[in-house]
Amino acid sequence: EAGVVQSPRYKIIEKKQPVAFWCNPISGHNTLYWYRQNLGQGPELLIRYENEEAVDDSQLPKDRFSAERLKGVDSTLKIQPAELGDSAVYLCASSLVNSPETQYFGPGTRLLVL
Amino acid sequence: GDSVTQMEGPVTLSEEAFLTINCTYTATGYPSLFWYVQYPGEGLQLLLKATKADDKGSNKGFEATYRKETTSFHLEKGSVQVSDSAVYFCALQSYSGNTPLVFGKGTRLSVIA
Repeated sequence: EAGVVQSPRYKIIEKKQPVAFWCNPISGHNTLYWYRQNLGQGPELLIRYENEEAVDDSQLPKDRFSAERLKGVDSTLKIQPAELGDSAVYLCASSLVNSPETQYFGPGTRLLVL
Repeated sequence: GDSVTQMEGPVTLSEEAFLTINCTYTATGYPSLFWYVQYPGEGLQLLLKATKADDKGSNKGFEATYRKETTSFHLEKGSVQVSDSAVYFCALQSYSGNTPLVFGKGTRLSVIA
């Protein structure tokens, strides 16, 4: 069974530029999470989807971050414009809605904003 | 709010040494507790979990016991290998389940031959 797929794996951009990250969850997993992991820290949730509905986006900085999960499968996280402080690893995870305690993580996208 | 505190690293051990990584938590109610591991260049993987007091989670020679009285979930392994070198994260999830995982800052373990 394929795991959670994320792309790109690495991204370097200049500040004020836009950037987008893509995630394909494990087949059949209807819950999808985006986390941000700053250097030397644990991951922190940005947004959680159940199917195509964002059920928890309280930690998403909505002035510059946006996310979508069309058709309840793949998801895209966008930052526009990026700031220096956005440099981090962006992790996608998925789980079954009736097993939220078991989340499967992708390898992450490492973003560097110059 | 909920929080997790784990010992700071890095931790460097010789092969076959005994490992303990301390983890304590603050939460309302009775959360589920987890240890995740992140190998170099890979995503986080669930190592073990415990969902109620006195439960012991175990996997790959690692184990941790859910101690409600001390609000702890320390990770242990009797004999580490070079392949155990990774970053270990303690995490909790509130009882309701449909809440985000709250992670500690991670502890980097390096095992030398």
